Formats: sequence, structure tokens, C-alpha cells
Amino acid sequence: EAGVVQSPRYKIIEKKQPVAFWCNPISGHNTLYWYLQNLGQGPELLIRYENEEAVDDSQLPKDRFSAERLKGVDSTLKIQPAELGDSAVYLCATTEGPLGSYNEQFFGPGTRLTVL
Amino acid sequence: AQSVTQLDSQVPVFEEAPVELRCNYSSSVSVYLFWYVQYPNQGLQLLLKYLSGSTLVKSINGFEAEFNKSQTSFHLRKPSVHISDTAEYFCAVSLIYNQGGKLIFGQGTELSVKP
Repeated sequence: EAGVVQSPRYKIIEKKQPVAFWCNPISGHNTLYWYLQNLGQGPELLIRYENEEAVDDSQLPKDRFSAERLKGVDSTLKIQPAELGDSAVYLCATTEGPLGSYNEQFFGPGTRLTVL
Repeated sequence: AQSVTQLDSQVPVFEEAPVELRCNYSSSVSVYLFWYVQYPNQGLQLLLKYLSGSTLVKSINGFEAEFNKSQTSFHLRKPSVHISDTAEYFCAVSLIYNQGGKLIFGQGTELSVKP
């Protein structure tokens, strides 16, 4: 069975440009997370979806970041406009629902964003 | 608020030597505890987890971790490491109640196994 798929794997853009990341979860996984991982740090949650509903977006910088999960399957994370400080790895993770703190989260390989 | 501290950012070790990666956490409520591993160019993978019961948990590839509630620690150990264990290891917690499985990670420990 395929794991969590993310694309692109790498993205280089100039500051002030828009960028989008895509995540395809494991089939049947209702819960989807976007994490931000800065260099030398552990991942930090940006947003969590239960099906198509964003149930925790308290850490998402809403002035420039947006996310959607239409039909409760694939998800996209967008930054507009990008800033130098947004250079990081963006991770998508999914898990079987319902809400369960003990459920294993399955991570994609991430998208490494470089903003010049 | 919850936090996780991994006390060593890098741990170099020779092949077949024992290793311990240290993890301490802070939380006013009960948590589940996890170790994730990230091999080069791959996504994070669950290595082992503590939910309840026996405080010593083991992975299929020889790692083990012990939950110590009094010391709020969850150190990861392996008696004899292999070159293939070279990776970044992340300790994480999630709240038992609410929070929907949000993982709070430590900064990571880079394990480098040398021949």
C-alpha cells in the first residue's frame, strides 16, 4: 500500500512569490496534519483536519498561509507571499480516525522549501 | 503547556557499541510518549510508543525505551548499534485527552554510527 505522498519534494522560489504543497493521504485515513520543520528542530503542527474540516488551525499564520482539504482526501497548503523565514520542510502526516492521541501518524517525505 | 527536551543534538558512536538517546518531557496532564526515526531522505517513522501498562517498550529492531514518570523521562536505548541505525531520532508526546493526537516533538538527536 502506498504511503503518504507529497509533492513537490523540493521547491525554490524568490521571496514574495506564492507556493503550494500537495499531500495525498493513505487511503482511509481521515485525519491529516501539516507540520513545519525548521532546520535542526522537531516538527511543529500547523493545522489538523478531520475529514474536510480544519479542527485545529491555531498555529497557522493566517495572514499568509492557507490550507484546504476538499472532499476530505487530498490537501494543499499554500503560502502567499513567501518570506525568507518560510524556508523549511513542510511535512504531511495522516492517521486513521476517529480522534486518537495514541494512533500512529504516518508521515510523507516532506517538501523542502527554499525562499531566496 | 507541554514541551519535550532531547538532551543531545548529536550522538556519535561506534558500531556494536551501546547507545542511549535521552528525552525529558514536561506536562501537567497525562501524555502518550513516542519515538520516531527519520532516515536520510525519508519521512518520519514510528519506532515505538508508550501508552499504558509495562513501562518498558521495545521495537522490532532492538531499540527499547523506558517510561519513568517520576523523572518525566523516556530515554531510548540499544545495546548494540548497527551502521543502518544512523538517522535522526525524535521524541514526542501527545495528550491523552483532547488535542486530537497533536504531537509535540523534541528537537531531535542525530545518531551517527561509525564503523
